[in-house]
Amino acid sequence: EADIYQTPRYLVIGTGKKITLECSQTMGHDKMYWYQQDPGMELHLIHYSYGVNSTEKGDLSSESTVSRIRTEHFPLTLESARPSHTSQYLCASSREGPSTDTQYFGPGTRLTVL
Amino acid sequence: SQQGEEDPQALSIQEGENATMNCSYKTSINNLQWYRQNSGRGLVHLILIRSNEREKHSGRLRVTLDTSKKSSSLLITASRAADTASYFCATVPSGSARQLTFGSGTQLTVLP
Repeated sequence: EADIYQTPRYLVIGTGKKITLECSQTMGHDKMYWYQQDPGMELHLIHYSYGVNSTEKGDLSSESTVSRIRTEHFPLTLESARPSHTSQYLCASSREGPSTDTQYFGPGTRLTVL
Repeated sequence: SQQGEEDPQALSIQEGENATMNCSYKTSINNLQWYRQNSGRGLVHLILIRSNEREKHSGRLRVTLDTSKKSSSLLITASRAADTASYFCATVPSGSARQLTFGSGTQLTVLP
């Protein structure tokens, strides 16, 4: 069982609300990632970070933003949620060094924007 | 474009049978990984096979890699109802920033 946590697990909100999805890991991993996944579909990387104060956009364009002020914490924020943001958001982490490519996933946050 | 694509998209078998899933990818890779996802949950890493390896085993799992065909297969032997999940392959392209690119997954249902 990976020590990576996401809150909330489920979120239903109205259009225009600002939301923050939390992700934290206690494994001391430098690398963290956010993926977006629609039901039955593949994962798309939307943000990643290779360490504190380092954030990059992934392959899939996203209106969300991220921050990495602490190693263990990688929150994702949507300033104004829209129905098109409805999806599952998965956070993952991996360690630096050899054999670093295995990622450990949190349980995900299922977001519904009405 | 997708780096990895799984085949079949869905597979339904009886408990005790073997399940085989295939993955094809487009560019040269550093390694290929298989992950499992239970419905509505995060992914769990199953096995990693490097580009210079041809076969790898882990318990009831057997993974093969054919870099000349840019394909991999995951075999689950003696399947159990608890193996019901989606299975994704993911690749780390050679010379990349070592990010994973996931395929669309195979939904495996094991009937008791």
